Amino acid sequence: AQSVTQPDIHITVSEGASLELRCNYSYGATPYLFWYVQSPGQGLQLLLKYFSGDTLVQGIKGFEAEFKRSQSSFNLRKPSVHWSDAAEYFCAVGILTGGGNKLTFGTGTQLKVEL
Amino acid sequence: EAGVTQFPSHSVIEKGQTVTLRCDPISGHDNLYWYRRVMGKEIKFLLHFVKESKQDESGMPNNRFLAERTGGTYSTLKVQPAELEDSGVYFCASSQDRWGNDGYTFGSGTRLTVV
Repeated sequence: AQSVTQPDIHITVSEGASLELRCNYSYGATPYLFWYVQSPGQGLQLLLKYFSGDTLVQGIKGFEAEFKRSQSSFNLRKPSVHWSDAAEYFCAVGILTGGGNKLTFGTGTQLKVEL
Repeated sequence: EAGVTQFPSHSVIEKGQTVTLRCDPISGHDNLYWYRRVMGKEIKFLLHFVKESKQDESGMPNNRFLAERTGGTYSTLKVQPAELEDSGVYFCASSQDRWGNDGYTFGSGTRLTVV
């Protein structure tokens, strides 16, 4: 069965430090991969997505992610974290059905930023 | 462009009562999705509309849940009668195409609490 694993439930980093959030997926076909962020009181905002092509994907807010097929991973990175990045981050894989795609999400990683 | 709008933002109801959640997708988006996050768990797919038709309702938990999309515009999700385990955050998302090439735009969610 398809699944997404985000092994880190909580991560704390200092402002200005680099960040890497891990995501591993299990899916038999070529995956459509997404990272979303949810700030308190807000909806899920798309950070970036990967469908094909260049395996290093640039997103909004200075985030990037790298697709590694051999490791079934799609880790999210940011070189310098800002206090406003504190939020919950979700990795998701698009599961192809006859009628389209539906998302399977990981359990999320809660990011805390220390000033 | 207005985003995906959901209301109410919060609802507290007693077990056995009925609740109706509403989602207004982005204008022109034929594809509308419902997802749910039960506390502490991952966000899970409930169903997918293409215009007014249910494309995939494989994630609907049981027949106490009824989703409709009148005229292919807004959608409602009714829970009748509500049970304690129905508590969670219900997200709606919309997209122009069924493959998520535009990444799916999510609403802020409705937090449902059944007491």
